[in-house]
Amino acid sequence: GNSVTQMEGPVTLSEEAFLTINCTYTATGYPSLFWYVQYPGEGLQLLLKATKADDKGSNKGFEATYRKETTSFHLEKGSVQVSDSAVYFCALRANAGNNRKLIWGLGTSLAVNP
Amino acid sequence: EAGVAQSPRYKIIEKRQSVAFWCNPISGHATLYWYQQILGQGPKLLIQFQNNGVVDDSQLPKDRFSAERLKGVDSTLKIQPAKLEDSAVYLCASSPLGRVENEQFFGPGTRLTVL
Repeated sequence: GNSVTQMEGPVTLSEEAFLTINCTYTATGYPSLFWYVQYPGEGLQLLLKATKADDKGSNKGFEATYRKETTSFHLEKGSVQVSDSAVYFCALRANAGNNRKLIWGLGTSLAVNP
Repeated sequence: EAGVAQSPRYKIIEKRQSVAFWCNPISGHATLYWYQQILGQGPKLLIQFQNNGVVDDSQLPKDRFSAERLKGVDSTLKIQPAKLEDSAVYLCASSPLGRVENEQFFGPGTRLTVL
């Protein structure tokens, strides 16, 4: 079945450090891929998405590239800020077949220190 | 534009009691989702409505959980009776009809603690 694996946290960085959160997936066909973010006390928000191979999603300085050959969708940011402290979830949705529900990773907690 | 509203934000009950959660989706969004998010895990879809019809309730524990969306707008999720393992955050999300990759907009969630 479809699944998402993301790196375990917590991840602790200093402000302006480079961030990578790894995400790999297992799916048949060509799923859509998402990164959601959950700030403390708030609901999940879509951060970025990619719907086909080699697409790059970007938002708020974050980027992720849909790599079909490595079945990956790693999240990166060149210079993190304290306000980026949150939990980040990688997710996929199959684009074929009857099961179109979002499949979620376990989440990676990020803490950025000043 | 108003977001997805949920209430209450927090609820503490004892096991075997009943509890209900309410969700008001974004105006005009036909699809509504209820998720259960246990601490340290990703959200698990409990039920998906399109208008007032159920699209997917395969992971809803139907012996104790029920949900309705009578007029295709607001929705309630009920647990009766609650168990300790139901302690989680219950998230409501909505999305417009159309493309399958449409974004889901999430409410702030209801944190349930079962003692």
